[in-house]
Parts: sequence; C-alpha cells; structure tokens
Amino acid sequence: GNSVTQMEGPVTLSEEAFLTINCTYTATGYPSLFWYVQYPGEGLQLLLKATKADDKGSNKGFEATYRKETTSFHLEKGSVQVSDSAVYFCALSGLTGGGNKLTFGTGTQLKVEL
Amino acid sequence: DVKVTQSSRYLVKRTGEKVFLECVQDMDHENMFWYRQDPGLGLRLIYFSYDVKMKEKGDIPEGYSVSREKKERFSLILESASTNQTSMYLCASSPPLSPIYGYTFGSGTRLTVV
Repeated sequence: GNSVTQMEGPVTLSEEAFLTINCTYTATGYPSLFWYVQYPGEGLQLLLKATKADDKGSNKGFEATYRKETTSFHLEKGSVQVSDSAVYFCALSGLTGGGNKLTFGTGTQLKVEL
Repeated sequence: DVKVTQSSRYLVKRTGEKVFLECVQDMDHENMFWYRQDPGLGLRLIYFSYDVKMKEKGDIPEGYSVSREKKERFSLILESASTNQTSMYLCASSPPLSPIYGYTFGSGTRLTVV
C-alpha cells in the first residue's frame, strides 16, 4: 500500500538558517504529493503540491520537487523565520489503490529560534 | 473565503457519554473525512464519505460511527466515550479529484475524556 516516511523531529534552527525536511514515499500508480503545515492550535493548511514527476511546488518561500527516481519530495526553504515554527506533514494521494484518500507522514516539528 | 467549520475547539466529556463532533463545509465538496491526531502517530483516518448517506471505514473505526444526512455536514459520533479517545479530531473535505486538489481542513476539536 501507500506510505510516507518523514524525518523525525523536532528540528531546531536559528532564524535565517536553511531548512530541509526529508520525505520519501512508496506508492502504486502516479501519486500527487503535498506538504501541509500545522501552526500551534490550528488545523492543517495546504502549503504546496506537485502532481507529476519533476514538478516543483512552491509557496511562501518553501519549495519541493517531485523526484520519481528517488521517490522523494523534500521540503526546503532558504531562510527560515520564527513564524515558520510549526509541524509539517508530507502526504500523497494516488489514483490507484488508495482511491482519493491522502496518506500522511507522521509530521516533523520545526522550531525556529532568534 | 471557503472553509471547513468544526463546531467546538475544545470539549470535555465524561467516560461513557455519547459524543457528537460536527463538521460543516461550504465548498460543495463531495468528499469528507474524519481524522484523529496523536503525538508520534500523525494523522489516522477514522471514517470518510464520498457522498450523502454514504460512509466507509478508515484505518481506526472502532468505537466511532458517522452520519452524513446532508452534503455539507459530516458528524463523528463516539458511541460511549473512553479515555483512550482523548485526542485532537480533524475534519477535512475535498472535491472528487482530491489526488490533484488535496484537502481543506477544519481547525480541529481537542476532546478530553475524563
């Protein structure tokens, strides 16, 4: 079945540092890939997505590239801010097997300090 | 602004009570979902629905039931609340082609069973 593996957190960075959160997946068919962000006390918000291989999703300075050859969708940001502190979830949705349900990773907590 | 609204942000209930968690979406989405979120376990799918009066079990349906009498409303029911159902509950909705569009989440209901 489909699965998503994320790096464990928490990840603690200083403001303006470079961020990478690793995400790899296992899926049948041709999944779409997503990053969601959850700020403290809130629900999940869609951060960015990519629907086919080699697509790059980007939003608010974050970006991720759909790499079919390495089955990865790593999240990156060049310069993090304190306001980026949140939990980040990688997810996939395939057109086969899983129907139209999303499969989520366990989430990676990011803490950004001054 | 389109949204998914969960009726309560915080709820405290006693063991054995019947608990109703309500979710309403204003996007005319066909698909609706209930997840629970626990530290270290990520998001786990409880139930989902592709249409009115239709429901399917997710990964952890035991102890829960759902109701979808109208397209915009999806209710999660804890038949007899237990302390191990203390959790954050998240409702989400999506159009039929969620492999492309992803989900829209509510802000969550933090339920404590005492």
